Amino acid sequence: DIQLTQSPSSMSASLGDRVSLTCQSSQGIGNYLSWYQHKPGKPPKPMIYYATNLADGVPSRFSGSRSGSDYSLTISSLESEDTAIYYCLQYDEYPSTFGSGTKLEIK
Amino acid sequence: EVQLVESGGGLVQPGRSMKLSCAASGFTFSSFPMAWVRQAPTKGLEWVATISTSGGNTYYRDSVKGRFTISRDNAKSTLHLQMNSLRSEDTATYYCTRAPPIRYWGQGVMVTVSS
Repeated sequence: DIQLTQSPSSMSASLGDRVSLTCQSSQGIGNYLSWYQHKPGKPPKPMIYYATNLADGVPSRFSGSRSGSDYSLTISSLESEDTAIYYCLQYDEYPSTFGSGTKLEIK
Repeated sequence: EVQLVESGGGLVQPGRSMKLSCAASGFTFSSFPMAWVRQAPTKGLEWVATISTSGGNTYYRDSVKGRFTISRDNAKSTLHLQMNSLRSEDTATYYCTRAPPIRYWGQGVMVTVSS
């Protein structure tokens, strides 16, 4: 099975900071990776598809990138509403797998 | 507007069965693969199963193979998850999703496996 390793597991940053979350795949998945923002009591919200494509309605401060088997979700200027757990998901092959998540908090 | 509405959750004893359903609307249901994703309390997201558009192909995570069955009724735009031989570790919120990639999620339904 493909393993996705997310780092860091948790972090805190200040409003306005540039923040990057990483997801490393154990094997090649091409661009078949998406990112989700999850807040308590709500379903996960899609943020990025196919590694770099912004989902509908997602603010432009969010972006996705890929370097080899490393995938990143970047927030260019952190806002208070960005506090959440962020998960990556690979859908290149079954079983689909999620990363273990990065908990992002505001200092 | 795409809507996915789950039903059928609740409290069930270990070893018993439960069936979840998901009513879909706002899109051509028969044109999209569908999936179930779950989240156990205090844990991360976990993919459970996916079914192809026709229902002819199904995929499961190892821990539910042989116990869970995903199915769909394209005429009724409904997705199902039959869960047998339930275990305490199946306790989770179960989300109906349109996949892949997962663009739409239901609100989730809680399943508690406990005596």
